[in-house]
Amino acid sequence: AQRVTQPEKLLSVFKGAPVELKCNYSYSGSPELFWYVQYSRQRLQLLLRHISRESIKGFTADLNKGETSFHLKKPFAQEEDSAMYYCALKEGFQKLVFGTGTRLLVSP
Amino acid sequence: EADIYQTPRYLVIGTGKKITLECSQTMGHDKMYWYQQDPGMELHLIHYSYGVNSTEKGDLSSESTVSRIRTEHFPLTLESARPSHTSQYLCASHDTKNTGELFFGEGSRLTVL
Repeated sequence: AQRVTQPEKLLSVFKGAPVELKCNYSYSGSPELFWYVQYSRQRLQLLLRHISRESIKGFTADLNKGETSFHLKKPFAQEEDSAMYYCALKEGFQKLVFGTGTRLLVSP
Repeated sequence: EADIYQTPRYLVIGTGKKITLECSQTMGHDKMYWYQQDPGMELHLIHYSYGVNSTEKGDLSSESTVSRIRTEHFPLTLESARPSHTSQYLCASHDTKNTGELFFGEGSRLTVL
């Protein structure tokens, strides 16, 4: 069963538009959730963690346990935000499980 | 410098050859992982290790094998490569003691002819 779901394979927006990349998870315990990003020709890297409640590069993500969601948001997209974004779930002490990824394309 | 290294970055080989993809990290992490990244960019966990002498198969069945004789080294081996093994292989090291972050290598892109 899919434990992390990213329903959109591709999200295309114009520069300056708001962005929301969706992530839903399935886990019975207390989840730890992450967003990872892969820019063109770069390594996959951590963008942010839900437990740190921080904003990185203007992105925020709030854990909603009721809706089992961890959507990634940015009010004004920039061209340099174009990348592949992965939502990931850490299940207890176990391994990290990744979603299928969403490609964000920000056009000028 | 603390980092995670993968070699080779690119490899083109013929069917039936044995290959080993190397992965080394200098961060002292116990947990390490191998992911296969397909053309659609989806990540599939194929192997992981909780420490020395620990190896487990991941969610995606793979004909590859791994070993973990030393903490810093987690090589992946294909005994007889086939065209279906053509893919990008990503190694990762898990900082479980601090941030919970996964650190990824640059990847090894394998093409089997």
